[in-house]
Amino acid sequence: GNSVTQMEGPVTLSEEAFLTINCTYTATGYPSLFWYVQYPGEGLQLLLKATKADDKGSNKGFEATYRKETTSFHLEKGSVQVSDSAVYFCALRGDNFNKFYFGSGTKLNVKP
Amino acid sequence: SQTIHQWPATLVQPVGSPLSLECTVEGTSNPNLYWYRQAAGRGLQLLFYSVGIGQISSEVPQNLSASRPQDRQFILSSKKLLLSDSGFYLCASSRGEQFFGPGTRLTVL
Repeated sequence: GNSVTQMEGPVTLSEEAFLTINCTYTATGYPSLFWYVQYPGEGLQLLLKATKADDKGSNKGFEATYRKETTSFHLEKGSVQVSDSAVYFCALRGDNFNKFYFGSGTKLNVKP
Repeated sequence: SQTIHQWPATLVQPVGSPLSLECTVEGTSNPNLYWYRQAAGRGLQLLFYSVGIGQISSEVPQNLSASRPQDRQFILSSKKLLLSDSGFYLCASSRGEQFFGPGTRLTVL
């Protein structure tokens, strides 16, 4: 079946530090992969996506590369800001386009 | 792009009372629609999804139900709320990636 596993949080970093949030997946077929961000008290916003192997999604300084050989889609940012503090969710959409599978979320705290 | 409206934004209800949460979508037609629940500090639990008017798939058996009376309207209901129904309810729409509404914070006392 389909599932997403992401690293446990919270992750606490100082401003301008390098960020990696690990995400691995299990899926049949050729899933599309997504990262969403949730700020306190709000819904989820799409951060970036990749639809096929070796694609790199990027947005607002965040990047993630679809690695089929390691079934991973790790989120990275070279220099985090306090405003990046939020919960980040990795997700996949499988061959059944109707359903999405979300990881449990990773809370990021960035300190000034 | 799609815009998803949810109301109310917050709701406090006594145990045993009924529930109706509404979600409407703008900027698309024929979307797949979803209801998720997020417990405090937790991930997303898919409750229902719909691929068309009157078509509802239930993912988790519980005292909640969903209906889709119009193409861009999705309603989450309960006849009698339980304490465990407290949480943050998110409506989402999909024509490719998922777009989320702002959520409804439900507290059952």
